[in-house]
Amino acid sequence: EVQLVESGGGLVQPGGSLRLSCAASGFTFSTSWMDWVRQAPGKGLEWVANIKADGSEKNYVDSVRGRFTVSRDNAKSSLYLHMNSLRAEDTAVYYCSRSLIDWGQGVLVTVSA
Amino acid sequence: DIQMAQSPSSLSASVGDRVSITCRASQGISNHLAWFQQKPGKAPRSLIYAASSLQSGVPSKFSGSGSGTDFTLTISSLQPEDFATYYCLQYNSYPRTFGQGTKVEIK
Repeated sequence: EVQLVESGGGLVQPGGSLRLSCAASGFTFSTSWMDWVRQAPGKGLEWVANIKADGSEKNYVDSVRGRFTVSRDNAKSSLYLHMNSLRAEDTAVYYCSRSLIDWGQGVLVTVSA
Repeated sequence: DIQMAQSPSSLSASVGDRVSITCRASQGISNHLAWFQQKPGKAPRSLIYAASSLQSGVPSKFSGSGSGTDFTLTISSLQPEDFATYYCLQYNSYPRTFGQGTKVEIK
C-alpha cells in the first residue's frame, strides 16, 4: 500500500523559512516523479512543484520560484520542500503526491505575524 | 500558462442522477488531462488520467472524455458517497494547472 506522510508544517512569521518533509513507502520511490500541491483555506488546488525521479529536473509555479526548493533523498525515500521568504499567501495545506496519483494527508503551513 | 475553465462551479443533483462536469483548456493539451475528487478535510483522490482512463480501483460509474481543449467528467448514477468537489488538471505543460473546482451537492 502506498503511504505518503507529510511533516514539518506549523506557524511561521512572514519572511521566515520552513522545511516540509514527505516520507514515502509502499512503492519504488527512486523511480517516481514526485509533486507538491497546496490548497489555501477554502480555496482550490494549486500545483506547486515537482521533481524527477533522479532529482535532475525540477519545475515550479512562478509564485514560488526562487523562494521554494524541492529536493529528495532516494536512499531515505523522502521528499522535501524548502520554503524561504514565506508570505501570508503561502498559507495552505501542502500535499505530497506520487505523480499526482497517490496523495498524502497534507500538512498545514500558516504564515502570520 | 494554460488556463483551465471548469463548469459549472457548483451543481445540485439527486441520488441516481447522471451528472457531467466540463473543463476547457485555453490551448490544446492533447489528452493530458486528469480528474480528481476531494471531500472536505481530505486529500484529493485521482479518478481519471489521460482524459478517459480510469485509475485502478475507481468505479466504472465515472467516465471521462475529450481531447484538445474540451473535456467532460460524467458520473452515471450519483450515489451519496459521490457528493464532493471535483477538479480537472492539465499536465501537458508547466506549470500544471487545475480548474477552479465543481462542488456537487445534494438536491
